Amino acid sequence: DVKVTQSSRYLVKRTGEKVFLECVQDMDHENMFWYRQDPGLGLRLIYFSYDVKMKEKGDIPEGYSVSREKKERFSLILESASTNQTSMYLCASSGGEPSTDTQYFGPGTRLTVL
Amino acid sequence: AQSVAQPEDQVNVAEGNPLTVKCTYSVSGNPYLFWYVQYPNRGLQFLLKYITGDNLVKGSYGFEAEFNKSQTSFHLKKPSALVSDSALYFCAVRDMNRDDKIIFGKGTRLHILP
Repeated sequence: DVKVTQSSRYLVKRTGEKVFLECVQDMDHENMFWYRQDPGLGLRLIYFSYDVKMKEKGDIPEGYSVSREKKERFSLILESASTNQTSMYLCASSGGEPSTDTQYFGPGTRLTVL
Repeated sequence: AQSVAQPEDQVNVAEGNPLTVKCTYSVSGNPYLFWYVQYPNRGLQFLLKYITGDNLVKGSYGFEAEFNKSQTSFHLKKPSALVSDSALYFCAVRDMNRDDKIIFGKGTRLHILP
């Protein structure tokens, strides 16, 4: 089975802190994604990557950056956390054609910024 | 603009009754459609997808969905609901105008009443 793991289930940070959210997949997938999930808004794509060292902005990249130095790991970085970044963050990966292939999701990180 | 809509925020169904969770879409080109489910405190799990072929798609946990091109719908169905089906359901569609990224609906919370 595909396994996508996220470094923390719950995280509490203070405004202005730099925050790292880590995601690792064990299926040698090319494609990796970061979403945030907010009630009533569904999932919104923050950043995605179709290959190592490659990254593309999604719908809401402001305030975030990403790093993909190795194929299995995709990190989301909040350069200076703000309270409006309090949310559930979901990482996903897929192995084939991004438009048709199933995405496999991690359990999520619930981030609270105080 | 490409979009996907889930017109109901919440659906309540008695255990043993058939259930339907609605999804409509607006895309140019051939639609690629997906359903995902999120159980409490879990990441999203893939249920089924329509790429091409038979309009009735069967998926995990006894769910199925019918692709209806004339009504631009992809409703999720199950003949007999279980209490364990209570979860948050997301419909998703490929957005061919934006690098084939997948866009998610806002989600429908399904409550199965014992």
